[in-house]
Amino acid sequence: GAVVSQHPSRVICKSGTSVKIECRSLDFQATTMFWYRQFPKKSLMLMATSNEGSKATYEQGVEKDKFLINHASLTLSTLTVTSAHPEDSSFYICSARDWLGRNQETQYFGPGTRLLVL
Amino acid sequence: SQQGEEDPQALSIQEGENATMNCSYKTSINNLQWYRQNSGRGLVHLILIRSNEREKHSGRLRVTLDTSKKSSSLLITASRAADTASYFCATDNNNDMRFGAGTRLTVKP
Repeated sequence: GAVVSQHPSRVICKSGTSVKIECRSLDFQATTMFWYRQFPKKSLMLMATSNEGSKATYEQGVEKDKFLINHASLTLSTLTVTSAHPEDSSFYICSARDWLGRNQETQYFGPGTRLLVL
Repeated sequence: SQQGEEDPQALSIQEGENATMNCSYKTSINNLQWYRQNSGRGLVHLILIRSNEREKHSGRLRVTLDTSKKSSSLLITASRAADTASYFCATDNNNDMRFGAGTRLTVKP
């Protein structure tokens, strides 16, 4: 099946710094990618929909200036947590659909990035 | 915002027993998907059932969908210790996917 990678898998940073997380579709083109956030023992919350070549669509309550999303190519979307604070510590997961593949309805998830802000 | 609601929130069974998890949702859907997540790891896609399907099987997994009741169930038969994980349902409505709170399954050896 389709593979989605994320980098880094985990990152520790100081409060006030910015952190960039990459999401790549390895063997398919993804015009749309999704970014989720997951708190410990909680479900995934959709943060935004990343559209190649256009602005991301953010969910209500998600700060656009805080979580910058750039979908630079058909295989890469980045999430930048700007001026990170301890409350931004979380597990961030991206996903993508392979619209040209056999399983168009399936979302393929990356392995996630664990962010810890000190 | 979340769409699906799973129950139970936690389930503990003995190896060999069957595990049933339920998911309810509120809006119309194109399909419903079940995912598994091991602690601290990413999601693994288990099975997808479309809105016009009522039941689907995949190995030891059996999923049902009742669109009139807006509910779905995931049955894992002959459970194994390795099935211990969190299981999430996700509803898909025109490219808008929402996850339930999940069921934490523990299978004791």
